[in-house]
Amino acid sequence: DTAVSQTPKYLVTQMGNDKSIKCEQNLGHDTMYWYKQDSKKFLKIMFSYNNKELIINETVPNRFSPKSPDKAHLNLHINSLELGDSAVYFCASSRTSGPNTGELFFGEGSRLTVL
Amino acid sequence: DQQVKQNSPSLSVQEGRISILNCDYTNSMFDYFLWYKKYPAEGPTFLISISSIKDKNEDGRFTVFLNKSAKHLSLHIVPSQPGDSAVYFCAALLSGGYQKVTFGTGTKLQVIP
Repeated sequence: DTAVSQTPKYLVTQMGNDKSIKCEQNLGHDTMYWYKQDSKKFLKIMFSYNNKELIINETVPNRFSPKSPDKAHLNLHINSLELGDSAVYFCASSRTSGPNTGELFFGEGSRLTVL
Repeated sequence: DQQVKQNSPSLSVQEGRISILNCDYTNSMFDYFLWYKKYPAEGPTFLISISSIKDKNEDGRFTVFLNKSAKHLSLHIVPSQPGDSAVYFCAALLSGGYQKVTFGTGTKLQVIP
């Protein structure tokens, strides 16, 4: 039973298209994240939601729009895809009660390739 | 500006020997540090952490050392096993706020049988 699941795992699309990646967690966590791992393997935070509220919004083009319909889901929609958007996108979740320990639970990643 | 740096992209170690993975950080406000392990086609998984009030934390074969004055931490794995072959990410955060975890670029460890 997968704790943090993302779909699709692989996505190949043309420049200019719009695509979405979905994420669901069944851990009962309050907070969810999107991280991007680019070609240099740098894993960088994009967004974070706590109980459906946006709490972290890094410098990300506004073509990227996260949506959290409930605290178990965090989706990522990308408009007008560009070549530089090619990357692996990781969803993660964490507890917010208790000490802030940085322990994140990651999904398997969604590899986006823009042609 | 990369606040967490892992300067060795790869490391090869013989099975049974010690693996030492290094990490440097620039933000002196970080007060909690973690190591994550990542296998191919999987997401990173939490391995071990250390608070800035400590200089060492041990969990089985894994020990993390923190040198605050040098802004340096290291992960020791002893004895190394082939199953330890993975990419190891160093990470840091300010524990007082939301969990904005900053990651390094990773070190690929290969343990040779």
